[in-house]
Amino acid sequence: DIQMTQSPSSLFASVGDRVTITCRASESINSYLKTYLNWYQQKPGKAPKLLIYATSNLQSGVPSRFSGGGSGTDFTLTISSLQPEDFATYYCQQSYTTPRTFGQGTKLEIK
Amino acid sequence: QITLKESGPTLVKPTQTLTLTCTFSGFSLSTSGLGVAWIRQPPGKALEWLAVIYWDDDWRYSPSLKSRVTITKDTSKNQVVLTITDMDPVDTATYYCAHEDYGAPSFDYWGQGTLVTVSS
Repeated sequence: DIQMTQSPSSLFASVGDRVTITCRASESINSYLKTYLNWYQQKPGKAPKLLIYATSNLQSGVPSRFSGGGSGTDFTLTISSLQPEDFATYYCQQSYTTPRTFGQGTKLEIK
Repeated sequence: QITLKESGPTLVKPTQTLTLTCTFSGFSLSTSGLGVAWIRQPPGKALEWLAVIYWDDDWRYSPSLKSRVTITKDTSKNQVVLTITDMDPVDTATYYCAHEDYGAPSFDYWGQGTLVTVSS
């Protein structure tokens, strides 16, 4: 299985801050110029919501303050200016192979 | 638009078999490239992928549950069924089904989830 490791596990920030969450895969998840890394946002009691797919593609309806990058084994999710509705838990997930695997999550909390 | 909804028991006893149904609309599982996956989340913990079934009847299971899990589809009813045998209290979780497009694989639509508690 490909292990996904996120850092930090929790993060305290303020509205307006720029924050970056890191995700590392235990092996490369690149293939034919595509990188199979997705990011999800989850709020308490709700299903996860897809934010970014294939490393850097913004899902329809997701604000442009969210962006993703990286390649190979190292990836980032950046929120350029935190809004009150962004405080949630974020998960990375690889879709390079099965079993699909998720990171352990990063809980973004208000400072 | 695409929607998915999980249904099944909320409480099962240890050693029993869990059967969950995902009923979806807005797409057909006979369409090339599409799949439906099951993902679970124990209370306060991370997401865990369990299984997927694709339009061509191909399926994959999590190695950690492989001997206990079965996934099937009924294309005419727009349903995917997950069964897990020999349930244990550690299987207590919210179970989600989700839509996957194999062409750009990600879980772009999710059901609301159903909490299953395993307790005697």
